[in-house]
Amino acid sequence: DTEVTQTPKHLVMGMTNKKSLKCEQHMGHRAMYWYKQKAKKPPELMFVYSYEKLSINESVPSRFSPECPNSSLLNLHLHALQPEDSALYLCASSLQDRAYEQFFGPGTRLTVL
Amino acid sequence: AQSVAQPEDQVNVAEGNPLTVKCTYSVSGNPYLFWYVQYPNRGLQFLLKYITGDNLVKGSYGFEAEFNKSQTSFHLKKPSALVSDSALYFCAVRDFNTDKLIFGTGTRLQVFP
Repeated sequence: DTEVTQTPKHLVMGMTNKKSLKCEQHMGHRAMYWYKQKAKKPPELMFVYSYEKLSINESVPSRFSPECPNSSLLNLHLHALQPEDSALYLCASSLQDRAYEQFFGPGTRLTVL
Repeated sequence: AQSVAQPEDQVNVAEGNPLTVKCTYSVSGNPYLFWYVQYPNRGLQFLLKYITGDNLVKGSYGFEAEFNKSQTSFHLKKPSALVSDSALYFCAVRDFNTDKLIFGTGTRLQVFP
């Protein structure tokens, strides 16, 4: 299994809703990432988990809350989002070595109304 | 700080012609360089990487890249472009201080029949 899966593919939510994005990989990778991508722009790093511990938080607003229940799963909990949070949210994973590439999931297209 | 630059927002090429997508880098020390491709509404797909060794790196889908230390460049190339190569291409470098992947701004490749 050499892929990263993300659910849901699309999500529409109101500003008062609570929702979660899910990411899964079974490649034995110990580093997992959340990125936010606006149209025609490069991905922006949000969070990095290394061996199931949060190692990087790029000063992301607290309305985004990551969780890594185990080495294969990564969640992003969303609460009280703003319309400007609408974007493609990408999950990625890699071996725990900077020489190795990151494998990206297909993303979740989030729309905040 | 590590960085990459993609000087062209868009590259247009006729099908069957060779293509080049440019990338230059700025790093302290030896760079770890990557190329990714993104099709519309999809995640990023890894194409190839340079870590060490031969300056000409071969990757997926017939793409290759040439690492040039004197010109600090890592241009992506393909001998014969296909219409299906039309996509957004990102160059990236690994930041050794933070272990993050630093992306360029992206280049849209348009291959015309």
